[in-house]
Amino acid sequence: GAVVSQHPSRVICKSGTSVKIECRSLDFQATTMFWYRQFPKQSLMLMATSNEGSKATYEQGVEKDKFLINHASLTLSTLTVTSAHPEDSSFYICSAGGGGQNYGYTFGSGTRLTVV
Amino acid sequence: AQSVAQPEDQVNVAEGNPLTVKCTYSVSGNPYLFWYVQYPNRGLQFLLKYITGDNLVKGSYGFEAEFNKSQTSFHLKKPSALVSDSALYFCAVRPYTGTASKLTFGTGTRLQVTL
Repeated sequence: GAVVSQHPSRVICKSGTSVKIECRSLDFQATTMFWYRQFPKQSLMLMATSNEGSKATYEQGVEKDKFLINHASLTLSTLTVTSAHPEDSSFYICSAGGGGQNYGYTFGSGTRLTVV
Repeated sequence: AQSVAQPEDQVNVAEGNPLTVKCTYSVSGNPYLFWYVQYPNRGLQFLLKYITGDNLVKGSYGFEAEFNKSQTSFHLKKPSALVSDSALYFCAVRPYTGTASKLTFGTGTRLQVTL
């Protein structure tokens, strides 16, 4: 079945630095990728939608200059949290669409970001 | 705009008993409906989906869900709960379109199965 690999699973960084999270579709071409953020004991909040080769579409209230999304190939999308602050600490999850009949998309295993 | 409601923050059930996790939705047109399960610090695992066809869909780990168009519901069920089913469950919907559309999630229901 469709598999999405997300790395790293956990990252701790210092305030002011940037962190890159990768999301790869391993056995299918992901024409669309979605990036979510999840706060403790809360649902998933869609941050942005990216289509391969074009700019990402950000949800209202999400700072596009802070959360840089690149989807340069059909198997890789990256989310870079720039100048991270402690309030950016969260669980980030990607999902990918395009894997044949996977109408519900396939999710990565998530990245726990802690900014200290 | 599409939306999903999961009215229960937590559902408690004894092992061996049947379980139901409720979900209602709102979407323009025909819906694609999904259930996902999440374990601590993990991504979402797909359980089952309704796209078209039979209203009763069967999924992974013995779970099933019934699509009820008139009540706009898609409740998750399992005849006999296991302790290992304890996790966070999300219902999600997206409209039927020809291209990838956004999934909207409910707020999640924590299932606690006890011995």
